[in-house]
Amino acid sequence: DGGITQSPKYLFRKEGQNVTLSCEQNLNHDAMYWYRQDPGQGLRLIYYSQIVNDFQKGDIAEGYSVSREKKESFPLTVTSAQKNPTAFYLCASSPGPRLGEKLFFGSGTQLSVL
Amino acid sequence: DQQVKQNSPSLSVQEGRISILNCDYTNSMFDYFLWYKKYPAEGPTFLISISSIKDKNEDGRFTVFLNKSAKHLSLHIVPSQPGDSAVYFCAAIGFGNEKLTFGTGTRLTIIP
Repeated sequence: DGGITQSPKYLFRKEGQNVTLSCEQNLNHDAMYWYRQDPGQGLRLIYYSQIVNDFQKGDIAEGYSVSREKKESFPLTVTSAQKNPTAFYLCASSPGPRLGEKLFFGSGTQLSVL
Repeated sequence: DQQVKQNSPSLSVQEGRISILNCDYTNSMFDYFLWYKKYPAEGPTFLISISSIKDKNEDGRFTVFLNKSAKHLSLHIVPSQPGDSAVYFCAAIGFGNEKLTFGTGTRLTIIP
């Protein structure tokens, strides 16, 4: 059945290490997004992509990088430059036409620092 | 600058009663509003939306009301059920701000 798959469910990062969170969708959506959720806060946009081979910074892009080589995939790398990476990361997609309207979310990845 | 505000971090309601969740916004360019429901350790799921050309939208037990002059919207759940216990996020989008902006969420607990 169609949906968004995020992996892994839980991830641990050591100091100075880069980690990559996977996001795959089979909904045939053009737009994909990465959000971060911290306790007591709303969802904050990290990066988004409206089309293959193109992506834009969101509100909190520093310390993160993305790629969009395939329509179905939008991996997020949390680099060592991200000083406070512990959070719940959510990937989403939308059919458009308006950016961010009616998002479909994955089940999330909890990232913690060792 | 928090453009979408949910001032109540938590709300407890008796099963069978009405739950009312509130959301305020500051950006007058927002023209489409959505509510998402989130269970712990899961992604949010879309619940209901409303365009700024309407003041009410209803879907089963869920109704969203929009008061544009007050820049306020509310989600009514009638009757409340135990499965409604979750965090509810209000979100908005509009011309000149085409990315969805989320509120901080309200945790709803339905008491059996």
